[in-house]
Amino acid sequence: NAGVMQNPRHLVRRRGQEARLRCSPMKGHSHVYWYRQLPEEGLKFMVYLQKENIIDESGMPKERFSAEFPKEGPSILRIQQVVRGDSAAYFCASSPRAGARTDTQYFGPGTRLTVL
Amino acid sequence: AQKVTQAQTEISVVEKEDVTLDCVYETRDTTYYLFWYKQPPSGELVFLIRRNSFDEQNEISGRYSWNFQKSTSSFNFTITASQVVDSAVYFCALIGTAGNNRKLIWGLGTSLAVNP
Repeated sequence: NAGVMQNPRHLVRRRGQEARLRCSPMKGHSHVYWYRQLPEEGLKFMVYLQKENIIDESGMPKERFSAEFPKEGPSILRIQQVVRGDSAAYFCASSPRAGARTDTQYFGPGTRLTVL
Repeated sequence: AQKVTQAQTEISVVEKEDVTLDCVYETRDTTYYLFWYKQPPSGELVFLIRRNSFDEQNEISGRYSWNFQKSTSSFNFTITASQVVDSAVYFCALIGTAGNNRKLIWGLGTSLAVNP
């Protein structure tokens, strides 16, 4: 079984540009989570999605950030008008079944975003 | 509020030494789940173990063992006979069970260096 796939692995953007990060969950998984890893701050939850639904976006910054998980295709984390503070590693995780709390979240390799 | 504390920021050992990584957590939930993940230098997050709060049995997997003590809110991780390949950052994490919560709460990680 292929694991969680994320692309690109590395993304460089200039201030003001848009960043699109993609995540394909493990086969059979229908729940996706995004986390951000900032230096000195550790890993922080951003958003939890099921197909076509945002379940919990309590960790998403109020502006410029959005996420979707369409019926077909990967989940997308979109950052508009990037700033230097958005430079971080962004990890996607997926879990199976009905998203029970007992389900382990399996992580992709991450996307390292650098904003120049 | 939920919190995970990994007091050891960095640990350095010589190969074949045993090493214990500490994890202390805080939660008001009566049922919760604890996790350990490994982040090797390549950057991906690798799941190691999940433990339910109602199961205090310790677990051993090869050179890895975990000691869960509810009385002290600790979930410590021991690597026996460490190897250079164990060099990584290790994260302890927690999920509570209130509401629709699916977010992992992370410690800041312990960076383990195993020297030959």
